[in-house]
Amino acid sequence: DSGVTQTPKHLITATGQRVTLRCSPRSGDLSVYWYQQSLDQGLQFLIQYYNGEERAKGNILERFSAQQFPDLHSELNLSSLELGDSALYFCASSVYGAPSIEQFFGPGTRLTVL
Amino acid sequence: TQLLEQSPQFLSIQEGENLTVYCNSSSVFSSLQWYRQEPGEGPVLLVTVVTGGEVKKLKRLTFQFGDARKDSSLHITAAQPGDTGLYLCAGNTGNQFYFGTGTSLTVIP
Repeated sequence: DSGVTQTPKHLITATGQRVTLRCSPRSGDLSVYWYQQSLDQGLQFLIQYYNGEERAKGNILERFSAQQFPDLHSELNLSSLELGDSALYFCASSVYGAPSIEQFFGPGTRLTVL
Repeated sequence: TQLLEQSPQFLSIQEGENLTVYCNSSSVFSSLQWYRQEPGEGPVLLVTVVTGGEVKKLKRLTFQFGDARKDSSLHITAAQPGDTGLYLCAGNTGNQFYFGTGTSLTVIP
């Protein structure tokens, strides 16, 4: 158990819909990272927040957005969903805000778009 | 285009054999990590290397960072079924994080 929690574990929805994925980092960690993992693209970095502020941005689509709240939990919002958005979405956390990839991953949310 | 290319992509070996997984890039990384991921779970950090030429050992696993900090290797001695999983290298450059393409290892009892 990494100490990072993600909800829900599974999510099934339809094209065009909007969903919100939630992540709680390990106690004491200030950074939260979001990743998308699909079979054909591997693990892709989406975005990083540190102590409530956006710190780094990767291959995140404009239809996707994220935020980190004062209690440090984070949400990833996916809108206008397409079939290709079906994937595993992981959240990770770390203590540091500087570029670091010593991250601890949550169990993931499996999103299926029908 | 993937910044970090891993080889081989798939590897199936018998218990007790040795193996090496490679992680290559044309970019220089500040640090490089290796993770192992089991199906349906998140990656778990195995090791971090930060110095060119650095070698780290974790029981039967030996990790090496290339002198130029552009590549890395993971060597497993006497593989066991419990080593089965997806091995991912990952590196950061600037403010970006990149994971490798992954090596899926199956160790057959």
